[in-house]
Amino acid sequence: EIVLTQSPGTLSLSPGERATLSCRASQSVSSSYLAWYQQKPGQAPRLLIYGASSRAAGIPDRFSGSGSGTDFTLTISRLEPEDFAVYYCQQYGNSPLTFGGGTKVEIK
Amino acid sequence: EVQLLESGGGLVQPGGSLRLSCAASGFTFSSYAMSWVRQAPGKGLEWVSAISGSGGSTYYADSVKGRFTISRDNSKNTLYLQMSSLRAEDTAVYYCAKAPLYCSGGSCYSYSNYYFDYWGQGTLVTVSS
Repeated sequence: EIVLTQSPGTLSLSPGERATLSCRASQSVSSSYLAWYQQKPGQAPRLLIYGASSRAAGIPDRFSGSGSGTDFTLTISRLEPEDFAVYYCQQYGNSPLTFGGGTKVEIK
Repeated sequence: EVQLLESGGGLVQPGGSLRLSCAASGFTFSSYAMSWVRQAPGKGLEWVSAISGSGGSTYYADSVKGRFTISRDNSKNTLYLQMSSLRAEDTAVYYCAKAPLYCSGGSCYSYSNYYFDYWGQGTLVTVSS
């Protein structure tokens, strides 16, 4: 099973700042099959990025994904008030599917 | 518009059973693999089970294998999760989630172990005496 470790656990930033979230895998993720989700309190997760770097439909271009192998990054170029949430990475290159523990982006 | 609506959650005693349902609309249900993903209170996401579009292939996390059964009724556009021998650690919000098609070279395929482009709002299962 691939273990995904997300860091930092919490990121305290102000609106307008840049957020950089990390997702590290315990072994190489096949074909960069890595996705990112955003989850707000009381809501279901929302797909942001798939294939490590492809934005899902309707996702603003301030969200970008990069990386390959074992190291992946989600970048939010300029934080908007609605971006403060928890972010999860998920790998789907190996069975079973696994998620990272999440990074909370909070208002500083 | 894709919609996924879970139901069937509630309070159940340890060792008990419960069946969750997920009613789907807005897409050709039988063409897509579906999954259940759960989230314990205050915790992260955990994939539970997946099923192919036809229902012929099923997959389970080790934590639920032998206790949970995923199924689907494509004539009713509904996904199910039959849960038995429930434990306190099964307490969670259970989400149903749709996997998109994988398309390459003009052909598209439904992969059961994939990412999720749509999620339901979730249903809470509490296992407690």
